[in-house]
Amino acid sequence: GIQVEQSPPDLILQEGANSTLRCNFSDSVNNLQWFHQNPWGQLINLFYIPSGTKQNGRLSATTVATERYSLLYISSSQTTDSGVYFCAANSNYQLIWGAGTKLIIKP
Amino acid sequence: EPEVTQTPSHQVTQMGQEVILRCVPISNHLYFYWYRQILGQKVEFLVSFYNNEISEKSEIFDDQFSVERPDGSNFTLKIRSTKLEDSAMYFCASRQQWAGELFFGEGSRLTVL
Repeated sequence: GIQVEQSPPDLILQEGANSTLRCNFSDSVNNLQWFHQNPWGQLINLFYIPSGTKQNGRLSATTVATERYSLLYISSSQTTDSGVYFCAANSNYQLIWGAGTKLIIKP
Repeated sequence: EPEVTQTPSHQVTQMGQEVILRCVPISNHLYFYWYRQILGQKVEFLVSFYNNEISEKSEIFDDQFSVERPDGSNFTLKIRSTKLEDSAMYFCASRQQWAGELFFGEGSRLTVL
C-alpha cells in the first residue's frame, strides 16, 4: 500500500519565523490532506489538496502530484501554531497517515 | 459550517467493560469512518462504512469492535470488552464522496484502567 513520510519529525522555531513541512508519498493519490493536531488532541482540517496550491491566511500548501510530494508553509509563526502537523493520503478507501511533524513555536 | 460531532469527549472505563462512542456525521455525507490514535503515535484506520455496511476494516478492528448506524444520523463504535491497549483517541470522520475531503470530529479520548 501507499507509504507516507513526513519531514522533519521535529521543528523548534521562534515566534515570527517561517517554516516548510514536507510530505512524500509513494504512489499516486486522489486525496491529500493536511491536519493540525492541537495540544488537546483535536484534529483540525487545514487543506484538502490532491494537487495545486491553496492559501489560507498565514498557511499555504502545494502538492506536486507528479513528483509525489506536498509542502505546507507556515509564515510568521505564532505560539498557537504549535502542535503536530499531519499529512494523510489515499489512493483507495482509507487515508494513510504520516508520522507527523511536531512543531514548537517559542515566544 | 457543518461539522462532525463526537460524544463523549473523554471516557474513563474499567478493563472488560463495554464502551460505545457516538458520532454524528455531516448530514449529506455517505461515507463514514473510525480512526484511532494511541498517545504519541500515528493515526490508524479502523473501519469504513457505506450503504449501511462495513466496506473495509483493518486488522485492529477485530471481533471486539462493531459499528452501527442505528437511526440514519448517528454512527457508533462499540468496544465489547475493553482492554488496556484500547486506550486511545478515537476519531470519527465522514465525507460525501469516496475520494473527497474527509472531515474529522474532535475525537473521543478513551482511558481504560
